Amino acid sequence: AQKITQTQPGMFVQEKEAVTLDCTYDTSDPSYGLFWYKQPSSGEMIFLIYQGSYDQQNATEGRYSLNFQKARKSANLVISASQLGDSAMYFCAMRVVKAAGNKLTFGGGTRVLVKP
Amino acid sequence: SAVISQKPSRDICQRGTSLTIQCQVDSQVTMMFWYRQQPGQSLTLIATANQGSEATYESGFVIDKFPISRPNLTFSTLTVSNMSPEDSSIYLCSVEGGYTQYFGPGTRLTVL
Repeated sequence: AQKITQTQPGMFVQEKEAVTLDCTYDTSDPSYGLFWYKQPSSGEMIFLIYQGSYDQQNATEGRYSLNFQKARKSANLVISASQLGDSAMYFCAMRVVKAAGNKLTFGGGTRVLVKP
Repeated sequence: SAVISQKPSRDICQRGTSLTIQCQVDSQVTMMFWYRQQPGQSLTLIATANQGSEATYESGFVIDKFPISRPNLTFSTLTVSNMSPEDSSIYLCSVEGGYTQYFGPGTRLTVL
């Protein structure tokens, strides 16, 4: 079974500073993908970044980067130069690649509040 | 990326009634997923819907409570039946797009 753990229920970050959101995962499957989503108060789930288990480089998307440490089974999200609009819930998720039913398993989430 | 719409965006319902949530995608997709997010919680998969076959339900979810239809490759419905206050949640549909998975805007359901 797959499991995703986010140990930080909530964080404050000063505007323009960087913040790291922790995510650890557990799976016995060698082929998997790791995702980060942002959920503002409106409730929509916004895809931020993806990392494949076989990817050699850490993923980056604009101000978002994923610090992938495979041996430690961690996939931390780094948000650089935080903005007030970054205040939201952030979810780490994993998908194990199988023949069918590629469902996402989510962590409990981390609430980020950016202070001006 | 896929563009997904859901109807209704929110609703307030009385206990014992049923609500059908619609999910429309702007492109053909093989699998559609329905998730539930209870207040203050993370997302939990309810079921996976393939066109032309019965939906596959996750442990803890049954077809009688959450019947799903998938009449074509761009549309699906989820019905929340015989609702109770515990069904108050955000319900989200989701589709695969390339290597990632996209979500609709969600349906915020409150059961009184």
